[in-house]
Amino acid sequence: QKEVEQNSGPLSVPEGAIASLNCTYSDRGSQSFFWYRQYSGKSPELIMFIYSNGDKEDGRFTAQLNKASQYVSLLIRDSQPSDSATYLCAAADSNYQLIWGAGTKLIIKP
Amino acid sequence: DGGITQSPKYLFRKEGQNVTLSCEQNLNHDAMYWYRQDPGQGLRLIYYSQIVNDFQKGDIAEGYSVSREKKESFPLTVTSAQKNPTAFYLCASSPERGRGEIAKNIQYFGAGTRLSVL
Repeated sequence: QKEVEQNSGPLSVPEGAIASLNCTYSDRGSQSFFWYRQYSGKSPELIMFIYSNGDKEDGRFTAQLNKASQYVSLLIRDSQPSDSATYLCAAADSNYQLIWGAGTKLIIKP
Repeated sequence: DGGITQSPKYLFRKEGQNVTLSCEQNLNHDAMYWYRQDPGQGLRLIYYSQIVNDFQKGDIAEGYSVSREKKESFPLTVTSAQKNPTAFYLCASSPERGRGEIAKNIQYFGAGTRLSVL
């Protein structure tokens, strides 16, 4: 059974601090990884994707991938109240079949 | 504006009734998907389609049916055989599926349909 695991949270972070969201996956054949943000009652929207080991930065967001440890993370710098949402991690195999985690609820406290 | 339109936003199903959820996209994407989201669970794939007149079962296809007669449209029917249909249903599309660069396989979502049982 292919699985993607995330801590459900909630993860509470003060405004302006760094939020760190983590994800582990079971399928070593997973090729690429996606982070989506989902506001309450809304649909997921893509934040970023990563497929190479190491870090990938996009504005305040940094995705980190360690394939040996089967671990993906998302860092959000200078957290804002508008970052409060559930963050979904998804792993894709070579055919881009996605396996989704249940998401981590992030709360940014002003 | 290009995008994915799902309707209705809210839907109620009576016992023994089939209901159809609409999904239309004007992004000229080849691939379309239907997911179900339950509280505390990840998205689960119901059906997907890579081209017109072809579709494949996902992980939880039982009690659901789809059609893909036009590139722009991928309606989902929740049949009376689906005994626990209450969930948030999400339609997504991507330029391609299963080949090419990763950017062409990114999935974009509609606003969703929330289905409840009366």
